[in-house]
Amino acid sequence: EIVMTQFPATLSVSPGERATLSCRASQSVGSNLAWYQQKPGQAPRLLIFGASTRAAGVPARFGGGGSGTEFTLTISSLQSDDFAVYYCQRYNNWPPELTFGGGTKVVLK
Amino acid sequence: QVQLVESGGALLKPGGSLRLSCAASGFPFSDYYMTWIRQAPGKGLEWVSYISGGSAYTKYADSVKGRFTISRDNAKNSLYLQMSSLRVEDTAIYYCARAGSGYDQDKYFDNWGQGTLVTVSS
Repeated sequence: EIVMTQFPATLSVSPGERATLSCRASQSVGSNLAWYQQKPGQAPRLLIFGASTRAAGVPARFGGGGSGTEFTLTISSLQSDDFAVYYCQRYNNWPPELTFGGGTKVVLK
Repeated sequence: QVQLVESGGALLKPGGSLRLSCAASGFPFSDYYMTWIRQAPGKGLEWVSYISGGSAYTKYADSVKGRFTISRDNAKNSLYLQMSSLRVEDTAIYYCARAGSGYDQDKYFDNWGQGTLVTVSS
């Protein structure tokens, strides 16, 4: 089983600041890593796939990086709409089960 | 546009059974892997199961294996999750979601339904 670990669990950020969220896989997942944003009462929204490709309609302030076991999601200049929980998900083909990280909650500093 | 609408959530007792449905529209349903993902109250996301476009391939999380069955009816553009031997820990919002492309390696999910709540309690 591949375990996905996200850190920090909570990130306090002021509007306009840069936020960096991390996701670590217990073994290599290549670039098969996605990031999602979830706001209270809403379904998750895909932000990034292939570790660094923004999904349709996602603002350019969201950037993904990394490969293998270490990944980051960077929000270059945090806006009020970005306070949410962020999840990473690995989807490499083996093992075939899919795994999410535990999430990072971005809160107002 | 892509729409996914779940239904079937309910309150039931441990040991009970339930079938969830997801009605899909706005895309060639049979071309895409589909998945069920759940979220217990106040908790993170947990992948439950996925199914290939033609139903040839299915996979389950260990936590539901042998109790849940995923299926689809491409003629009706519908995805299902048959749940049996339900436990308190199955209490969650259940989301259906569409894979990001028609390729089987792209099991990230670019479209989600609004979710349906399943509560298992004695």
